[in-house]
Amino acid sequence: GAVVSQHPSRVICKSGTSVKIECRSLDFQATTMFWYRQFPKQSLMLMATSNEGSKATYEQGVEKDKFLINHASLTLSTLTVTSAHPEDSSFYICSATGGRTDTQYFGPGTRLTVL
Amino acid sequence: DQQVKQNSPSLSVQEGRISILNCDYTNSMFDYFLWYKKYPAEGPTFLISISSIKDKNEDGRFTVFLNKSAKHLSLHIVPSQPGDSAVYFCAARIFGNEKLTFGTGTRLTIIP
Repeated sequence: GAVVSQHPSRVICKSGTSVKIECRSLDFQATTMFWYRQFPKQSLMLMATSNEGSKATYEQGVEKDKFLINHASLTLSTLTVTSAHPEDSSFYICSATGGRTDTQYFGPGTRLTVL
Repeated sequence: DQQVKQNSPSLSVQEGRISILNCDYTNSMFDYFLWYKKYPAEGPTFLISISSIKDKNEDGRFTVFLNKSAKHLSLHIVPSQPGDSAVYFCAARIFGNEKLTFGTGTRLTIIP
């Protein structure tokens, strides 16, 4: 149980384009979903927290107009990187809590490369 | 300000021996701690957790110890197996807040 999927697993895009990443909880209803990014050899940095049906809460320093988060249902959250630039290249990981525990279960991550 | 620190970026241990991974934290408000294991290009997998009301939690080969006065926790893996080779992150949480603060990770390599 507690499976979280992400799609796509890898994406390469041109600078200036937008990229959407999906995060789904497959076998439980996710009351809260989290979006992280990880640079090489660094820790996971929380970008934002989202609850179903409400606006996401962004961490300090994260541009909400650049990283659009939508949590439209209890099983799906999306992160859209708008007007992507090479410095946005990173590993993006989502996690979700819900069900019987409040432990965060992570998706497999999405490797974004902006050319 | 790194509130959760893993000072050893890497650790090599012989198969069958004990692996000890350490984690220190600075925020005394943290009251729940977790260990995650991560393979390259994958998301972290939850391993084991401990509440601040305990000083030890055990699950199979994995044991987590918490020393609140020293603001230190450790993960013991015994016996170590080749499949344990991965990056291990400790994470901490404040009561009532789902937000996790992660350490920088320790890469564990088990030598056959």
